[in-house]
Amino acid sequence: DGGITQSPKYLFRKEGQNVTLSCEQNLNHDAMYWYRQDPGQGLRLIYYSQIVNDFQKGDIAEGYSVSREKKESFPLTVTSAQKNPTAFYLCASSIIRGVGPDQPQHFGDGTRLSIL
Amino acid sequence: GIQVEQSPPDLILQEGANSTLRCNFSDSVNNLQWFHQNPWGQLINLFYIPSGTKQNGRLSATTVATERYSLLYISSSQTTDSGVYFCAVESGSNFGNEKLTFGTGTRLTIIP
Repeated sequence: DGGITQSPKYLFRKEGQNVTLSCEQNLNHDAMYWYRQDPGQGLRLIYYSQIVNDFQKGDIAEGYSVSREKKESFPLTVTSAQKNPTAFYLCASSIIRGVGPDQPQHFGDGTRLSIL
Repeated sequence: GIQVEQSPPDLILQEGANSTLRCNFSDSVNNLQWFHQNPWGQLINLFYIPSGTKQNGRLSATTVATERYSLLYISSSQTTDSGVYFCAVESGSNFGNEKLTFGTGTRLTIIP
């Protein structure tokens, strides 16, 4: 079945450590997104990418980095510069508007990151 | 950027009751989605509805784009409807700019 796979489901980070969250999609979508959700809050955009080897900062990019070397993959690295990384991270993908019939964004099941 | 407000923030209902959730947004939108987030954190797409009315079983949604609001109706509530309901909009004017802005959600609790 087509979908978005995020791994791991749970991740623990030590102080000063970088960690990478995986996001893979087999929906043949051009655009991919990373969102952060804090308890009791909505989702906020971290980074997004509309094409391989290109990506843009979202609203809360500080302390995060991404890469887009393949269409199917959009990993997110939470760096030691992110002072409050404990959150729920969701990856999404979509077609580019105008390429075909408009469709909703599709989301993975998320990764919960905690600080040890 | 665009502002998205959802109301009410919390709603507690008896099983079998009907409910209406509201989403107001501050600018014209190209895309509006309603999501249900279950207790495990999964975001379930309910509706993709930038305008008009759609129905799916006990759920229906209406977006009045000219008045900048959307409503989600849940009829004959079941305990499995509990969770947080999010409205998210995309208002980019540039080609290919599909960033979603989320509201803060409505937490729905259905009591047996």
